[in-house]
Amino acid sequence: DAGVIQSPRHEVTEMGQEVTLRCKPISGHNSLFWYRQTMMRGLELLIYFNNNVPIDDSGMPEDRFSAKMPNASFSTLKIQPSEPRDSAVYFCASSPPGYEQYFGPGTRLTVT
Amino acid sequence: GQSLEQPSEVTAVEGAIVQINCTYQTSGFYGLSWYQQHDGGAPTFLSYNALDGLEETGRFSSFLSRSDSYGYLLLQELQMKDSASYFCAVRLNTDKLIFGTGTRLQVFP
Repeated sequence: DAGVIQSPRHEVTEMGQEVTLRCKPISGHNSLFWYRQTMMRGLELLIYFNNNVPIDDSGMPEDRFSAKMPNASFSTLKIQPSEPRDSAVYFCASSPPGYEQYFGPGTRLTVT
Repeated sequence: GQSLEQPSEVTAVEGAIVQINCTYQTSGFYGLSWYQQHDGGAPTFLSYNALDGLEETGRFSSFLSRSDSYGYLLLQELQMKDSASYFCAVRLNTDKLIFGTGTRLQVFP
């Protein structure tokens, strides 16, 4: 099993640009989570999906952030326009129902 | 609101035993999880307590007291590779986790 796959691993962009982060969950896992980690705010849940349907997006910081899960094997997190304060490590995780979450390696985003 | 409190840093020497405490105040509670994260890495699952008591997995044990809204992670026979950050996380429902701020453990030779 390849585990949760995220791309890109590193992204450097300029303020105002659109950023798209990608995630492929573990096959058979029906829940998918997007987290953001910073020194100041720790590990924050942004949004999660169950069976491709968004269940809770209360952690999405503002309208500049959007997430989609068009099928069971792919999800995206988009930031448009990006700002320097969006700089963080973004993790995707997946899990079977009621079990532990498996995290991907993360995408380190730097917005200059 | 939701809050989880754990110490920011703990230090210990190889071979020692260390306990990392976690207290929580959350609306909803299914159980308490613990995750380990090495610098530059991703969080990885260590243990889960849904019921009061002690769960043991090798050198690591986790304890929960639901009535006290308290849990701890116990690491025995510490090794240098145990140097990492440790997060408690409350499971609010079947899926959703709220993470604590993390405890950085430094193990010295």
